[in-house]
Amino acid sequence: DQQVKQNSPSLSVQEGRISILNCDYTNSMFDYFLWYKKYPAEGPTFLISISSIKDKNEDGRFTVFLNKSAKHLSLHIVPSQPGDSAVYFCAASGNTGGFKTIFGAGTRLFVKA
Amino acid sequence: NAGVTQTPKFQVLKTGQSMTLQCAQDMNHNSMYWYRQDPGMGLRLIYYSASEGTTDKGEVPNGYNVSRLNKREFSLRLESAAPSQTSVYFCASSEERKNIQYFGAGTRLSVL
Repeated sequence: DQQVKQNSPSLSVQEGRISILNCDYTNSMFDYFLWYKKYPAEGPTFLISISSIKDKNEDGRFTVFLNKSAKHLSLHIVPSQPGDSAVYFCAASGNTGGFKTIFGAGTRLFVKA
Repeated sequence: NAGVTQTPKFQVLKTGQSMTLQCAQDMNHNSMYWYRQDPGMGLRLIYYSASEGTTDKGEVPNGYNVSRLNKREFSLRLESAAPSQTSVYFCASSEERKNIQYFGAGTRLSVL
């Protein structure tokens, strides 16, 4: 049973346009959500996070939106750049029995020049 | 800044062989983790250590053992490797269990 789902395995976007990556979760006990970015042959690196008490968090070109009622979050990248091409993992944590962080399967983003 | 260091980067084993994956962090973090990444599966937690001296099973612990040697080091051992353990293994650390995790570069393991 996947508690964190990223239903789009891949996404292709033109340089300069908006990239929207989506993530759904099932456990209402999650209260902290993160996005990680991963380049080939490297480990994931933290990108941006949001607490459940907020519905939006912005950091430069990256914005994360949280809709608690829908158990849905999204990552917006504006404008997209070729260097943004990577795999993006959504993750969620909370008091679910051990404060483990659960990761989604990832979405591979291609930004075309 | 080294961050999280994993060794080795690559390893090929034969079925039944054993090996230990090493992980060390220099950020004075309390919590450390071992994940495996398989195509279409994301990162799945194998074991974690919330603090020095404690370890707990994650989502996929079967076939693995861990040792939290000290605050810096957290090793993952495969006692009898199986082809199903072919994967990329990542070690991570965080200040507390809920916080941002910092990952090593990974160990790519093939079991033939």
